[in-house]
Amino acid sequence: DVKVTQSSRYLVKRTGEKVFLECVQDMDHENMFWYRQDPGLGLRLIYFSYDVKMKEKGDIPEGYSVSREKKERFSLILESASTNQTSMYLCASSPPGLAGTDTQYFGPGTRLTVL
Amino acid sequence: GQQVMQIPQYQHVQEGEDFTTYCNSSTTLSNIQWYKQRPGGHPVFLIQLVKSGEVKKQKRLTFQFGEAKKNSSLHITATQTTDVGTYFCAGMDSSYKLIFGSGTRLLVRP
Repeated sequence: DVKVTQSSRYLVKRTGEKVFLECVQDMDHENMFWYRQDPGLGLRLIYFSYDVKMKEKGDIPEGYSVSREKKERFSLILESASTNQTSMYLCASSPPGLAGTDTQYFGPGTRLTVL
Repeated sequence: GQQVMQIPQYQHVQEGEDFTTYCNSSTTLSNIQWYKQRPGGHPVFLIQLVKSGEVKKQKRLTFQFGEAKKNSSLHITATQTTDVGTYFCAGMDSSYKLIFGSGTRLLVRP
């Protein structure tokens, strides 16, 4: 079974703090994704990566950056957290090939609250 | 940008009734995927449709991809309480990103 893990289930941070969300997958997948999920808005893609050190902006990259130094790990960084970044953050990975053409396996999510 | 609209936002049914959720895209999709997210859980892949007019079944679930590859539907026959959750469609756009619909939350009265 594919396993995608995220470093925290719940996180509370203060406005202006730097926040790191970590995601690790154990299936040697090339493609990894970060989404945020908000009520009524579904899942919105923040960034994705199709290889180590490669990254592509999704639909809402503003205020976020990412890092992919190793194949199995994809980190989402909030340089200066703001209250409008309070959300559920979901990481996903998928097998090789065009990023949108195969099943995505999701981690359990991190519910981030920014005070 | 490309959007995938999903309706209804909520559906509350009596156990045993049928349920359908619909997705519509502003542009032609290369494929469409469906995911289910149980309350408190994360999205789990259900199925992928690729061909125009394709219909696939998984027990009580029937998935359709429209002839123009711009719309899709998921139909559940005789709902059960285990069907509770939010169902998302996701279409692949021209830049190979998955665009998720806003989801339909299904509630089932026992």
